[in-house]
Amino acid sequence: DVVLTQSPLSLPVTLGQPASISCRSSQSLVHSDGNIYLNWFQQRPGQSPRRLIYKVSKRDSGVPDRFSGSGSGTDFTLKISRVEAEDVGVYYCMQGSQWPATFGQGTKVEI
Amino acid sequence: EVRLVESGGGVVRPGGSLRLSCAASGFIFGDFGMSWVRQAPGKGLEWVSAIDWEAGGTGYADSVKGRFTISRDNAQNSLFLQMNSLRAEDTALYYCARDSGGGEDVWGKGTTVTVSS
Repeated sequence: DVVLTQSPLSLPVTLGQPASISCRSSQSLVHSDGNIYLNWFQQRPGQSPRRLIYKVSKRDSGVPDRFSGSGSGTDFTLKISRVEAEDVGVYYCMQGSQWPATFGQGTKVEI
Repeated sequence: EVRLVESGGGVVRPGGSLRLSCAASGFIFGDFGMSWVRQAPGKGLEWVSAIDWEAGGTGYADSVKGRFTISRDNAQNSLFLQMNSLRAEDTALYYCARDSGGGEDVWGKGTTVTVSS
């Protein structure tokens, strides 16, 4: 199974400043169709997860453009250009390139 | 409005069974693969199982393989998870989610499963 390792696991941030979360995969996430199905999710306290990014860098509808995803091969990054108070929560990377799909451990973002 | 509503959770003894359901609305259910994802209390997300749009393909986490069975009824816009031989470590909030673009783009609010004697 693919293991996703996130770092850091805890990320203190300052409002208005950038933030970055890394996600490393134990193996290539290139699907047989040529796509890389690497997703990023945000889970605010007490809420269901919400997908922010799919296929490494595509933003879901309604996601603010301060969120961006990048990466290739086995190294991926979620960046928040300027952190806002509503960005507090836990962020997960997740791969859907092969079953079983797997999530990273989660990164807790706090002000 | 796209909506997923889970039901069927509850308290069950170790070794028991439960069947979770997920009612979908607001989209063409048969056009999408669907998944179950769970979250144990205070823990992270764990992918449990998925089924493709025509129920021809299914996948399971190693932790539930052989005990859980995913199925769907496209005519009833419903997703199911039959859970047998339940263990304490299956205690979690179970989310139903729609698959799109290689990941889950719509999530329900979840249904709670507690396995305890």
